[in-house]
Amino acid sequence: KAGVTQTPRYLIKTRGQQVTLSCSPISGHRSVSWYQQTPGQGLQFLFEYFSETQRNKGNFPGRFSGRQFSNSRSEMNVSTLELGDSALYLCASSLDFSGNEQFFGPGTRLTVL
Amino acid sequence: GQNIDQPTEMTATEGAIVQINCTYQTSGFNGLFWYQQHAGEAPTFLSYNVLDGLEEKGRFSSFLSRSKGYSYLLLKELQMKDSASYLCALNSGAGSYQLTFGKGTKLSVIP
Repeated sequence: KAGVTQTPRYLIKTRGQQVTLSCSPISGHRSVSWYQQTPGQGLQFLFEYFSETQRNKGNFPGRFSGRQFSNSRSEMNVSTLELGDSALYLCASSLDFSGNEQFFGPGTRLTVL
Repeated sequence: GQNIDQPTEMTATEGAIVQINCTYQTSGFNGLFWYQQHAGEAPTFLSYNVLDGLEEKGRFSSFLSRSKGYSYLLLKELQMKDSASYLCALNSGAGSYQLTFGKGTKLSVIP
């Protein structure tokens, strides 16, 4: 069974630009969560989607948004990039919360110059 | 808000037992996760505690005391491959994911 895949793996953008990251969950998984990881702030929850609906959202500005498609694939978008958005963006999938276990993808390393 | 504290670093000897503590202040949560993260890799799930008490899974056990605002992860028979960061996270989601992570504890296992 293929794991969680994220594309692209690395990305370099400049301030003010926008970026879209993609996440394909494990086949059959309907819950997809997104996280930001930085050396200073650690791992922070962005949002969770289930069956195309955002169930929960972390404490991030409105520049961070996401969506989930009918095939459970998810995208997150960051508009008007700032230097502080440089981070590893991880997505994780699970069947549903009852399974408890989330499987993480390898992440997308975003660098904002 | 939620505040989670973990020791920044710990060192333990191969074959030994180590306990990684996690204390928290929160107005409420549904459960507590433990994740392992090797350097340069994504986190992997270790355990999820909802009720007070000890959950055992092979060499790893996790304990939760809601009244004391305290959890720990116990690793037995330490192996070199256990060198990693260990993250505890409170879940506020009801039947869903809404996690707040601690900064993690970097464990180094030495021969």
